[in-house]
Amino acid sequence: AQSVTQLGSHVSVSEGALVLLRCNYSSSVPPYLFWYVQYPNQGLQLLLKYTSAATLVKGINGFEAEFKKSETSFHLTKPSAHMSDAAEYFCAVTETVASGKLIFGQGTELSVKP
Amino acid sequence: DARVTQTPRHKVTEMGQEVTMRCQPILGHNTVFWYRQTMMQGLELLAYFRNRAPLDDSGMPKDRFSAEMPDATLATLKIQPSEPRDSAVYFCASGLVLGTEANYGYTFGSGTRLTVV
Repeated sequence: AQSVTQLGSHVSVSEGALVLLRCNYSSSVPPYLFWYVQYPNQGLQLLLKYTSAATLVKGINGFEAEFKKSETSFHLTKPSAHMSDAAEYFCAVTETVASGKLIFGQGTELSVKP
Repeated sequence: DARVTQTPRHKVTEMGQEVTMRCQPILGHNTVFWYRQTMMQGLELLAYFRNRAPLDDSGMPKDRFSAEMPDATLATLKIQPSEPRDSAVYFCASGLVLGTEANYGYTFGSGTRLTVV
């Protein structure tokens, strides 16, 4: 069965520093991949998605992610962290392309220090 | 922007009572999910529907939980009887999935925060 692993439950960066949140999926068959952000006491907001088009995907708020099939990875990056980026980030994958069933990782809490 | 609407936003109930949570998916979306979020378990998929038909409810405790889509504009999640361990935030999400052709992503509602005392 498809699964998602997010390396690091907590990541802390300084304001202005690079943000790198890691995500690996298990299947050898490329699924659809998503990153969501959750601010305190709110729902999940879609940051970006990979659906078999360009491997470098640009999302909202300056985030981007690169799909690497050889590494089964879909890491999220942002060149310069802002205080407002502090939130929980979830990587998700569809179980299969056809099913659309969404499987989430455990989440990574991003802290941004001034 | 189109949004997924969940009601109520907050619910406090006594153990043993019936709880019904409602979700209005985005018009035109054919796939609806129910997730439960807790600190310990993270995001758990309870059930999901495609074109109103249940596709998978294996994550749902069958003896007390039920999920339905009486029509395309309403999804419901019911707990009867409720227990303290059901305390969590319940999210509904909807999306448009066209098999292997396209997946346009999923939009989440703001959630229902359930507390069972």
